[in-house]
Amino acid sequence: DGGITQSPKYLFRKEGQNVTLSCEQNLNHDAMYWYRQDPGQGLRLIYYSQIVNDFQKGDIAEGYSVSREKKESFPLTVTSAQKNPTAFYLCASNAGLSKNIQYFGAGTRLSVL
Amino acid sequence: DAKTTQPPSMDCAEGRAANLPCNHSTISGNEYVYWYRQIHSQGPQYIIHGLKNNETNEMASLIITEDRKSSTLILPHATLRDTAVYYCIVRAGGTSYGKLTFGQGTILTVHP
Repeated sequence: DGGITQSPKYLFRKEGQNVTLSCEQNLNHDAMYWYRQDPGQGLRLIYYSQIVNDFQKGDIAEGYSVSREKKESFPLTVTSAQKNPTAFYLCASNAGLSKNIQYFGAGTRLSVL
Repeated sequence: DAKTTQPPSMDCAEGRAANLPCNHSTISGNEYVYWYRQIHSQGPQYIIHGLKNNETNEMASLIITEDRKSSTLILPHATLRDTAVYYCIVRAGGTSYGKLTFGQGTILTVHP
């Protein structure tokens, strides 16, 4: 099936540890996005990428890093500099003329041990 | 992007139509109205969008007022699976990539 796959579904981070969240899409979409969602809140943009080997910071990029080495993949690393990482992380993608229609993965829930 | 205002919560009986309003009084001429929903602990799902004409697809209908300052998403026969947070987003037509601004949305509860 075509779509966006995020893994793992649940992730636990220890103090001082970096963790990487995976996002893979087989939709042949150019742009990919990472959002963070806190309980009862809307989504906030962390990073996005319009093409391979290029990405831009969103509203809350501090403490996060990304890479875009392949069109299909856009992993997000939550670094130890992110002091409040507990949240629901969502990856999305879109392409072409329908740039405002984003397709989302099922999300990764990150907690701190 | 224009700001939107939605009621925080609504209830609907199963099988009845759910009508979710959205105010966007500062919408500009090139901005579309998009609706997404998010079922608990899942990623948001695109529902429908429109510019000024009413739109219908297999999921819902979108009614936009003539002055475009408000709109209504209609789920014609709500089911329990339609219980979710519904987001109304206003954004210029797909001319550039960038974030979608999801506000608080409307929590729709469909009850038996």
